[in-house]
Amino acid sequence: AQSVTQLGSHVSVSEGALVLLRCNYSSSVPPYLFWYVQYPNQGLQLLLKYTTGATLVKGINGFEAEFKKSETSFHLTKPSAHMSDAAEYFCAVSGVGEQGAQKLVFGQGTRLTINP
Amino acid sequence: DTGVSQNPRHKITKRGQNVTFRCDPISEHNRLYWYRQTLGQGPEFLTYFQNEAQLEKSRLLSDRFSAERPKGSFSTLEIQRTEQGDSAMYLCASSPFSDNSPLHFGNGTRLTVT
Repeated sequence: AQSVTQLGSHVSVSEGALVLLRCNYSSSVPPYLFWYVQYPNQGLQLLLKYTTGATLVKGINGFEAEFKKSETSFHLTKPSAHMSDAAEYFCAVSGVGEQGAQKLVFGQGTRLTINP
Repeated sequence: DTGVSQNPRHKITKRGQNVTFRCDPISEHNRLYWYRQTLGQGPEFLTYFQNEAQLEKSRLLSDRFSAERPKGSFSTLEIQRTEQGDSAMYLCASSPFSDNSPLHFGNGTRLTVT
């Protein structure tokens, strides 16, 4: 079974400050890990993903995340926050289901607020 | 790539009524997923299609829920005898036939059962 824990349901940072959103996962198989962003009343947009290879992955909008197997973590960072980054962020782990289906297990989400 | 399209965007219904939602995936994607997202929570997997075949269903999908993808293109999710606990955002996602492909989500259908 797989699970995801996002530490902090709400994170508030000042514009220009470092963004750090924490994600820890549990998986019995080598995980695929994802970060998605959700703006109000919209679906989820993929920010970045880790499957295999380089443990530091870069995504869209200046975000990046590092896969640390020893810590079972996949924290999301951005060096300088922008007002447009305000949204809900979801970390997800994927197990391969029947016929190769990607069944994503999501964390509860972290609402990011940017202060001017 | 026109994205995943879901209709309607919002649906308000009275308890006990039946509702049906539609999802049009990205045209070349043969995998289609339904997820449910309640307020303040992350999405939860409901069911998965590969082409027209429904290959996996979550235990969350009670007997009142049924999903189809008759021609391997669009999909419908029907809820019979709706209950207030069914109020949620229903998200559809699609992906091509590749183990590493990320899911592309639609904007969802928000269901409110009164």
